[in-house]
Amino acid sequence: EPEVTQTPSHQVTQMGQEVILRCVPISNHLYFYWYRQILGQKVEFLVSFYNNEISEKSEIFDDQFSVERPDGSNFTLKIRSTKLEDSAMYFCASSRQGHEQYFGPGTRLTVT
Amino acid sequence: SQQGEEDPQALSIQEGENATMNCSYKTSINNLQWYRQNSGRGLVHLILIRSNEREKHSGRLRVTLDTSKKSSSLLITASRAADTASYFCANNAGGTSYGKLTFGQGTILTVHP
Repeated sequence: EPEVTQTPSHQVTQMGQEVILRCVPISNHLYFYWYRQILGQKVEFLVSFYNNEISEKSEIFDDQFSVERPDGSNFTLKIRSTKLEDSAMYFCASSRQGHEQYFGPGTRLTVT
Repeated sequence: SQQGEEDPQALSIQEGENATMNCSYKTSINNLQWYRQNSGRGLVHLILIRSNEREKHSGRLRVTLDTSKKSSSLLITASRAADTASYFCANNAGGTSYGKLTFGQGTILTVHP
């Protein structure tokens, strides 16, 4: 069964450094998403991406964040200058029609 | 309170019993979805119920939706130890076709063998 994959599974970085989190959505899906979950808290929406552009973003998704679909398979989330409060589990999700979303296993980002 | 609140926050039952989790939300929705998360893992999509549906079944899962009360429930029948996980409801609010999901805090379900 096709699934969403994410790399790396765990990323440790120093405050102020740039990180790129990678995702490979399910191949025939058209809608792509990033969410994050700070330890012990709710899963929070960051951004949705459709037709090669951002369709919606949350207040969390400020100028430090960007997303890209550099080729036909990858979907990346970049954080330009990480802060301690960016430490969280980041989930990528994809959807064929914008309804059921299929989540990847997540990348645990630790900012020190 | 925030959107997508589940109750109870934690539920502990014996194998074979039924587990019922409830969820409330605040705005109008296109659909509501339930997800399962095993400890430290990703979210697994369980079931989606559309705003014009009242009940839906999938295997041992039964979901109801009451849009007048802005609430939903997830029933897991004949629970198994493998059902131990956190369960989240997530709603796709009306007015967007791009599927942004708003999640609740979740219910931690423990099923004792």
